[in-house]
Amino acid sequence: DTAVSQTPKYLVTQMGNDKSIKCEQNLGHDTMYWYKQDSKKFLKIMFSYNNKELIINETVPNRFSPKSPDKAHLNLHINSLELGDSAVYFCASSLHVGTRNEQFFGPGTRLTVL
Amino acid sequence: QQQVKQSPQSLIVQKGGISIINCAYENTAFDYFPWYQQFPGKGPALLIAIRPDVSEKKEGRFTISFNKSAKQFSLHIMDSQPGDSATYFCAASMSAGKSTFGDGTTLTVKP
Repeated sequence: DTAVSQTPKYLVTQMGNDKSIKCEQNLGHDTMYWYKQDSKKFLKIMFSYNNKELIINETVPNRFSPKSPDKAHLNLHINSLELGDSAVYFCASSLHVGTRNEQFFGPGTRLTVL
Repeated sequence: QQQVKQSPQSLIVQKGGISIINCAYENTAFDYFPWYQQFPGKGPALLIAIRPDVSEKKEGRFTISFNKSAKQFSLHIMDSQPGDSATYFCAASMSAGKSTFGDGTTLTVKP
């Protein structure tokens, strides 16, 4: 009965590889997000989708490509991984886009690029 | 440009004391100010939130004070407990749905 789930929880890979992180929410929310949390715990938004449409796209290298097959899923594909991509990636969802919307976060995926 | 500035970066409080974390924002278009609590190995979770038309909101031991003219808001944790030890993030969001987070405060409550 997990609200926002992510797989995998840990991901260790070599530089140059391509990897994907999957996210699913069973809350019936319209809006989903990807955040990156670095080693200093800074939390930065990367993307946001509302009903499968991209609405927020921060300054993120185009090696990162989100995909939303339906409003309950938002996956993150990363090409040509670099050392600086090592971080914890959080998926989140909220009922609607707009203010006063509580965001529910997943447990995170710790990505380590060697 | 950092739109939400949070301080202090870390805070150590004795059990039973008051923990105070401050945030300041720049963009007057922000109209929702949540605080999130994050335990190690977990995702952030909403703790308490306030709208700018209210100067204070209290939920249990947690209180947000909001000063619209100064563009500042703060989280007060009364009777701090070791179980409150976590990282706290303030955030600000606007109608487009984008939330900007502060840099986080690591709170340690000593027994």
